[in-house]
Amino acid sequence: DTGVSQNPRHKITKRGQNVTFRCDPISEHNRLYWYRQTLGQGPEFLTYFQNEAQLEKSRLLSDRFSAERPKGSFSTLEIQRTEQGDSAMYLCASSWGLPAYNEQFFGPGTRLTVL
Amino acid sequence: AQSVAQPEDQVNVAEGNPLTVKCTYSVSGNPYLFWYVQYPNRGLQFLLKYITGDNLVKGSYGFEAEFNKSQTSFHLKKPSALVSDSALYFCAVRARNTGGFKTIFGAGTRLFVKA
Repeated sequence: DTGVSQNPRHKITKRGQNVTFRCDPISEHNRLYWYRQTLGQGPEFLTYFQNEAQLEKSRLLSDRFSAERPKGSFSTLEIQRTEQGDSAMYLCASSWGLPAYNEQFFGPGTRLTVL
Repeated sequence: AQSVAQPEDQVNVAEGNPLTVKCTYSVSGNPYLFWYVQYPNRGLQFLLKYITGDNLVKGSYGFEAEFNKSQTSFHLKKPSALVSDSALYFCAVRARNTGGFKTIFGAGTRLFVKA
């Protein structure tokens, strides 16, 4: 399968713990996006990489959130000191070419539950 | 502010009948518009996009969408619905932001196709 993969698919954690999610994009894609999706809502943009450079971060991304894409391939999203409000589906997507025109390919998501 | 509205939470249609899922947008500059579909336990899948040119765009699985600049709408349509079309549909607009292009998703419309 050459699609976008995300691990783990599900994560249950206690409030205050740190969690890390991984995204492996389609190999030739240079752009990688993280979104958060809550029930009844569409995906909300969190952050965006072009190769290894993090070009934009949403105001939704508090200082407890950090994302990396060290070699321009896979990416990690870490949430420190998790809160119950962090419970959501975290989606990763990748794309290539012109950022305005090309569609994004999404992974299946990581569902986070903070108890 | 840039935004996307999907005025219907749910659309019900009988199999074989035409379907329409509505989307309106607000964006400064030229809009780049997308439709995605989300099946249960799967990531969002790209259906179609409007970048420029013909206002009627055709996409995957027999879907099409009509761009209407004066009404700032991009409604998704299909001439004959299938039960397998039942899913969650998201309209998205990509607009220029300070860091590049940012994708804004609507809240989604759940489509039920009854046999």
